[in-house]
Amino acid sequence: KQEVTQIPAALSVPEGENLVLNCSFTDSAIYNLQWFRQDPGKGLTSLLLIQSSQREQTSGRLNASLDKSSGRSTLYIAASQPGDSATYLCAVRNTGNQFYFGTGTSLTVIP
Amino acid sequence: DAGVIQSPRHEVTEMGQEVTLRCKLISGHNSLFWYRQTMMRGLELLIYFNNNVPIDDSGMPEDRFSAKMPNASFSTLKIQPSEPRDSAVYFCASTEAGNTGELFFGEGSRLTVL
Repeated sequence: KQEVTQIPAALSVPEGENLVLNCSFTDSAIYNLQWFRQDPGKGLTSLLLIQSSQREQTSGRLNASLDKSSGRSTLYIAASQPGDSATYLCAVRNTGNQFYFGTGTSLTVIP
Repeated sequence: DAGVIQSPRHEVTEMGQEVTLRCKLISGHNSLFWYRQTMMRGLELLIYFNNNVPIDDSGMPEDRFSAKMPNASFSTLKIQPSEPRDSAVYFCASTEAGNTGELFFGEGSRLTVL
C-alpha cells in the first residue's frame, strides 16, 4: 500500500524567506502528484498538479518538483508572505483511481 | 464552474439522530470521493464511486454509514444512528476518472454529534 509522508509536520519562518516543503511516497508507480493548501475551517484547495511524466510545475511563487524514481516531491515557496500560512498537503494518485494523502505540513509565516 | 458543492456546511445533532450530507460534483466529473477529517486521524477515505458505481467502501466505518449516487452529479452520505465519535468534517471531492485528472474538494460539512 502506498504511504505518503510529509516532513516537517510544522514549520515557522519569517516573512520573505524562501522555503521548501517535502513529500515522500513509497510506491513510485504513480499517475500524478498534487499539492493542496488547507486554511483553518476550509476545504482543500488545489495548488499544483504534476503528471508522472513531468518534472515540475510552477504557479506564481510556487514551484513543485517530482522525482518518481526516488519517491519525492518538493514544494518551493518563494518570498513567503503571512498569507501563505496554512496547512499544505500532498497527494499521490495510484492505479485504480486511488489517492493517498500525507498528513500535511502546517506553515506559519511570521510578519 | 461552481466547484464541488456540499451541504449543509454545519450540522449539530443529538446522538441517535439520522444525518444526511449532500454533495454535487463538478460538471463533467465522473469520480466522487467521500473523506472524513479529524485532528486525531487526519484525512480518511470513506468511499469512492466511478460512474455512479461504488468501487471501494472499505473505509466506511460500519453499517451505520451508507453512501449513494442516485445520478451522475449528486451523492449523499448518511449516518444512522449518529454517535459522538462521528463528529468530524466530511469532505467530498470529484475528478475525471481518467488517470491524469485533478482532484477538487468541496468546502466540507462540519458535523457535531452531541
